[in-house]
Amino acid sequence: DTAVSQTPKYLVTQMGNDKSIKCEQNLGHDTMYWYKQDSKKFLKIMFSYNNKELIINETVPNRFSPKSPDKAHLNLHINSLELGDSAVYFCASSQDPWDNSPLHFGNGTRLTVT
Amino acid sequence: QKEVEQNSGPLSVPEGAIASLNCTYSDRGSQSFFWYRQYSGKSPELIMSIYSNGDKEDGRFTAQLNKASQYVSLLIRDSQPSDSATYLCAVKGTGRRALTFGSGTRLQVQP
Repeated sequence: DTAVSQTPKYLVTQMGNDKSIKCEQNLGHDTMYWYKQDSKKFLKIMFSYNNKELIINETVPNRFSPKSPDKAHLNLHINSLELGDSAVYFCASSQDPWDNSPLHFGNGTRLTVT
Repeated sequence: QKEVEQNSGPLSVPEGAIASLNCTYSDRGSQSFFWYRQYSGKSPELIMSIYSNGDKEDGRFTAQLNKASQYVSLLIRDSQPSDSATYLCAVKGTGRRALTFGSGTRLQVQP
C-alpha cells in the first residue's frame, strides 16, 4: 500500500532516556516533515527535509535531532527525554514544499514520558 | 495573534443538519488552504483544499474562501454521526514551506 508509515505507534519511556522514531514514505514525495501534536490537538511543525536537505528547523530544543538518510526516510532522535516531550509525533510528506501540495500524514507515534 | 484561529467547540449539530466550521488566518499573502479531519486517536486526513476565492464543493463538503476577509470555512451538509471528529484548518503562508494549523474545532453530530 502507498502510505506514510512510522514506528513505533506507542512509546513509553522514563525521563532521561534517549529514543528514536522512524518514518518511511513510498509516495515518491520529495519532502518529509515532523509535526508535534500536544494534548490540546495543536499541530506544530518541528522539522522538514527536502530530498535529504534540512529546510525547516523550528524553535525546538537541540535534544531533538532529525536525520534523513534518503528522501523516503526521516527519523527523529530525542535525547534526555523530559515530561514535556509527551505528545503525539506525526510524520508527513508532500510532493513539494513550495507549491500547493497537501500533507499526507503517518499514523502517529504517541510518546509518553514518565 | 495566532496565525490560524479556530473556535475549539464543541460544535453540536443534529443529524441531517448543516455544520459550519470557520477559520481565520493572519497572513494576508497566504495562497493555499486545507481542511483536515482527525478522528480521536487517528492521524489527520485531507478533506478539502481551496486556493481561489469562492466556493468549492466535493460531495457533502463545501469549502469557502474569502481572502479579503482572511476567512475560510467548511460546510458539511446532511451531517452524519460519522462526521463527529476534530476539523483542522491549515494554511500555507507567504514563503512558508510547511502548513500552519489551527487548533481545530470539535464537531459532534447528534443522532
